[in-house]
Amino acid sequence: IAGITQAPTSQILAAGRRMTLRCTQDMRHNAMYWYRQDLGLGLRLIHYSNTAGTTGKGEVPDGYSVSRANTDDFPLTLASAVPSQTSVYFCASSDGSDTDTQYFGPGTRLTVL
Amino acid sequence: GQNIDQPTEMTATEGAIVQINCTYQTSGFNGLFWYQQHAGEAPTFLSYNVLDGLEEKGRFSSFLSRSKGYSYLLLKELQMKDSASYLCAVRDGDYKLSFGAGTTVTVRA
Repeated sequence: IAGITQAPTSQILAAGRRMTLRCTQDMRHNAMYWYRQDLGLGLRLIHYSNTAGTTGKGEVPDGYSVSRANTDDFPLTLASAVPSQTSVYFCASSDGSDTDTQYFGPGTRLTVL
Repeated sequence: GQNIDQPTEMTATEGAIVQINCTYQTSGFNGLFWYQQHAGEAPTFLSYNVLDGLEEKGRFSSFLSRSKGYSYLLLKELQMKDSASYLCAVRDGDYKLSFGAGTTVTVRA
C-alpha cells in the first residue's frame, strides 16, 4: 500500500546527542513537510520542501535541519538534542492536486532526557 | 502570525449530532481543512472547503464562511469510533497549513 513511512517509531535520546528521523514516501509527491505535535499546541511546521533539492523554514525551525536529495526521502536532523525537543514528529506530503491535501506518516515519538 | 481557535473538548452521546466550531485569523486564505486524529495515530484527512457553503461527505459535513473567518465540522449519527481529536487547519497566503490545537470529542454510550 502506497504511503508515508517514518522511522524510528519511538526513541529515547540523551541530551546533546545527534538524531536523524527518517521519512520516506512512495506516492511521488513533490512537497514534503515536518511537523511537531505538542499537547495543547497542535501541529507546528518545522521545515518543508516544495520539490527535491529545495527546502524552507517553517514556524519552529531552530535546532533542526533537513535535506531533500530525492523525491522520496526527507530526513529531519537534530544536531544536538535538547529536552524541549521532546515531542511527536509527523512527516507529511502533499499531492499537488487542486486541494493539495497533506497526508501524514505514522509519527515518531521522541523523548530527550 | 496565525490564530486558529477551536474548543478543547466536547462530549456527546452515541447517535447524536456534534458541531465543532473553528474561527481563524490568518495572513491570506487558500482553503480550510479538517483532519481526524485518533489517540496515538496520524491525522487523517476529512474535508476541504475553499468556497463559502456546506460540503457533505456521508455522516460528516463541513461549512465555511470566509467573511466571518469561521468554519464548523458537523458529525451526525455519532458512533463510538468517532471518539478522536478533530483538527482545523487553514492554508494561508504562503500556502502553508496552520493548525488549531484540536478538539477532543468523546462519544458516550
